[in-house]
Amino acid sequence: KAGVTQTPRYLIKTRGQQVTLSCSPISGHRSVSWYQQTPGQGLQFLFEYFSETQRNKGNFPGRFSGRQFSNSRSEMNVSTLELGDSALYLCASSLEGDGNQPQHFGDGTRLSIL
Amino acid sequence: GQNIDQPTEMTATEGAIVQINCTYQTSGFNGLFWYQQHAGEAPTFLSYNVLDGLEEKGRFSSFLSRSKGYSYLLLKELQMKDSASYLCAARGSNYQLIWGAGTKLIIKP
Repeated sequence: KAGVTQTPRYLIKTRGQQVTLSCSPISGHRSVSWYQQTPGQGLQFLFEYFSETQRNKGNFPGRFSGRQFSNSRSEMNVSTLELGDSALYLCASSLEGDGNQPQHFGDGTRLSIL
Repeated sequence: GQNIDQPTEMTATEGAIVQINCTYQTSGFNGLFWYQQHAGEAPTFLSYNVLDGLEEKGRFSSFLSRSKGYSYLLLKELQMKDSASYLCAARGSNYQLIWGAGTKLIIKP
């Protein structure tokens, strides 16, 4: 069974640009969550999608947005990039995001802003 | 508010036992997860507790006390490959996982 796939693995952008990251969950998983991880900061929750609807949202500015498609694949978009957006962006999927269902993580997209 | 606390860093010796503590405060509670994350890699699931008590999985065990809002991960017979960050996460009442900042475990020979 294929795991969570994130593309691209690495990305370099400049301030002011926008970026779109993609996540394909494990087959059958309907919940997809996005996280930002920077050194020493742990996992910062961005948002969670379930059945094409945003079910939960973290405390990030409106420049960060996402969506989920009918096949459960998800994308996140960051507009007007800032230097502080440099981070590892992780996507995690689970069956329905409830109870004892663990989240399974992709390898992440490492975004560098110049 | 909702938050999770765990130590920033711990050091232990190869072959020894180490206990990583986690205290949590959530709106509602639907279980607690432990994950392992090696440097440069994605987190991987280790254990889940929803009832009080100890869950054992080989060299790793996880304990939960719901009344105290407390959990620990116990690692026995430490190996060098156990050097990693260990993340504690609690599931609240709205499906969301609340994550701790992680405990970096350093294993010395």
